[in-house]
Amino acid sequence: EAQVTQNPRYLITVTGKKLTVTCSQNMNHEYMSWYRQDPGLGLRQIYYSMNVEVTDKGDVPEGYKVSRKEKRNFPLILESPSPNQTSLYFCASSFAGSNTEAFFGQGTRLTVV
Amino acid sequence: GQSLEQPSEVTAVEGAIVQINCTYQTSGFYGLSWYQQHDGGAPTFLSYNGLDGLEETGRFSSFLSRSDSYGYLLLQELQMKDSASYFCAVRQTGANNLFFGTGTRLTVIP
Repeated sequence: EAQVTQNPRYLITVTGKKLTVTCSQNMNHEYMSWYRQDPGLGLRQIYYSMNVEVTDKGDVPEGYKVSRKEKRNFPLILESPSPNQTSLYFCASSFAGSNTEAFFGQGTRLTVV
Repeated sequence: GQSLEQPSEVTAVEGAIVQINCTYQTSGFYGLSWYQQHDGGAPTFLSYNGLDGLEETGRFSSFLSRSDSYGYLLLQELQMKDSASYFCAVRQTGANNLFFGTGTRLTVIP
């Protein structure tokens, strides 16, 4: 089954404790991205990757890191989480191209206390 | 930069037709997409318009006017299960990232 898999689905952590949210897709998509979703603000892009070893900042990259060592994986790293990073996070992937459908993971609800 | 504007909330009656508008400002433009998101779920793709005009997919249609920087999603024969948030999104020329609007929450009432 074609899918984007995120883990964990739910995470509560403390300020400053490094964490990684994993994202994996099995569709051989070139393009992967991370979004955060907050009430009233829609989906805001954090980072995206056009292909292996190619990443770029989205609209809200501060406090986040990513890596793309393999085509299928695109982990999101929070080196020192803060309460303002409490949010719902989505990973998405698609083929390159302007009209391609983006497939989303099921989301990770992160709470930083 | 880029911005997309859509109404924050819309309410419509089961069986009726509803139109959700989206206006955009962007430095480059490939096309306009629409996504649906149910509460607690992930966004799912509904439609894409790269050229002016209407695209129809079952009960859903989407329209684009590039000269007006405007598009809309039309939902016909509304069903209770259509209650969800709907997002318009643009892909910009020179980049492959997908930029989303803030979403329209549609509530379908009996």
